Amino acid sequence: AQKVTQAQTEISVVEKEDVTLDCVYETRDTTYYLFWYKQPPSGELVFLIRRNSFDEQNEISGRYSWNFQKSTSSFNFTITASQVVDSAVYFCALSEISETSGSRLTFGEGTQLTVNP
Amino acid sequence: DTEVTQTPKHLVMGMTNKKSLKCEQHMGHRAMYWYKQKAKKPPELMFVYSYEKLSINESVPSRFSPECPNSSLLNLHLHALQPEDSALYLCASSRIRRTGSTEAFFGQGTRLTVV
Repeated sequence: AQKVTQAQTEISVVEKEDVTLDCVYETRDTTYYLFWYKQPPSGELVFLIRRNSFDEQNEISGRYSWNFQKSTSSFNFTITASQVVDSAVYFCALSEISETSGSRLTFGEGTQLTVNP
Repeated sequence: DTEVTQTPKHLVMGMTNKKSLKCEQHMGHRAMYWYKQKAKKPPELMFVYSYEKLSINESVPSRFSPECPNSSLLNLHLHALQPEDSALYLCASSRIRRTGSTEAFFGQGTRLTVV
């Protein structure tokens, strides 16, 4: 069974601070995908980043960066110089890799990020 | 164009009504999904369609009936729902590749209230 844990229920920061969202996962699959999604109050889940289990290279994309460590089953996400518009619920998610069908996403409980001006 | 369109955005229905939720995407994705999300909870998978065939049904009650008329459309037919079925219903789509499915793109959801 797959499981994703986001220990931080709520985080509150002041604008321009850096903030890191933690994610720990469990899976018996040897290959899998990890994702971060953002859900603003409007409800739509917005895809942010994807990482394959066989690629541990960490990257930076604009103000977003992520730290994937397979040895500790962690996939942390950092927003640099946070802005008020970053306020949303952030979900970490895990999916198996299927060559022939769509795959189920297992979500963590989400972290509510509030960025105050 | 990375848009998944869901209609209606809001729906209020009685327990004896029959209604349908609709989802459309024009990204050429061959996997489509229905998720249910209760307030302050993560989305939970309900159904997956792959190449217009139902590939995953997460033991959803029969009062929810999915349909995939073609590769761009996904419907969710609702009948005899209960108040506890009130939730945000999210549709999503993704590509299917040899290296596995890619990221899913979600619609804005339908906020369903059962009275």
